[in-house]
Amino acid sequence: AQSVTQPDIHITVSEGASLELRCNYSYGATPYLFWYVQSPGQGLQLLLKYFSGDTLVQGIKGFEAEFKRSQSSFNLRKPSVHWSDAAEYFCAVGATGGGNKLTFGTGTQLKVEL
Amino acid sequence: GAGVSQSPSNKVTEKGKDVELRCDPISGHTALYWYRQRLGQGLEFLIYFQGNSAPDKSGLPSDRFSAERTGESVSTLTIQRTQQEDSAVYLCASSLRTSGIISYNEQFFGPGTRLTVL
Repeated sequence: AQSVTQPDIHITVSEGASLELRCNYSYGATPYLFWYVQSPGQGLQLLLKYFSGDTLVQGIKGFEAEFKRSQSSFNLRKPSVHWSDAAEYFCAVGATGGGNKLTFGTGTQLKVEL
Repeated sequence: GAGVSQSPSNKVTEKGKDVELRCDPISGHTALYWYRQRLGQGLEFLIYFQGNSAPDKSGLPSDRFSAERTGESVSTLTIQRTQQEDSAVYLCASSLRTSGIISYNEQFFGPGTRLTVL
């Protein structure tokens, strides 16, 4: 069965600093990988996704993520964090076939200090 | 509508009562998903619909949970005899027809229904 691990429950960074959120997955084939962001009172918004091809994917709001098959990782990065990036971030893996259901990690809560 | 909508946004109920949660997917989206997010946890898959049928109900935690979909549109998640452990945010998502192995259609999420069982 597929699974996702986000080892950092909380992360605090200063505004303008760089950010890396970790995600490790377990899946038996080439995974479909996603990062979502959830702001208070908001639904989930897709930041970026990896299906195949270039292992460095660009997303919205200046985020990027790199798929590393050898490490089973899909870490999210941003060079310079803005105060508005404070939110909860979820990594997810999608099943191929069978309805494409998503399996989510437990999330990383990002706090941005001004 | 422009996005996935869910109602009510908040629901407080007493233990043992039944509740119904509603999801209106994006028009034209034939796939619909229900997820549950308990406090401090990630989202758990509950069930998905392709059209009006539910090929995968594997995530429903007990037989107190059921869901239906009509007209390839609105879906209702029903929880009978609610328990305190049912307290969570219930999220609905929709996508174009699931595409299997070749491609993957993005799921668009609604704002969720926060259920509190007293």
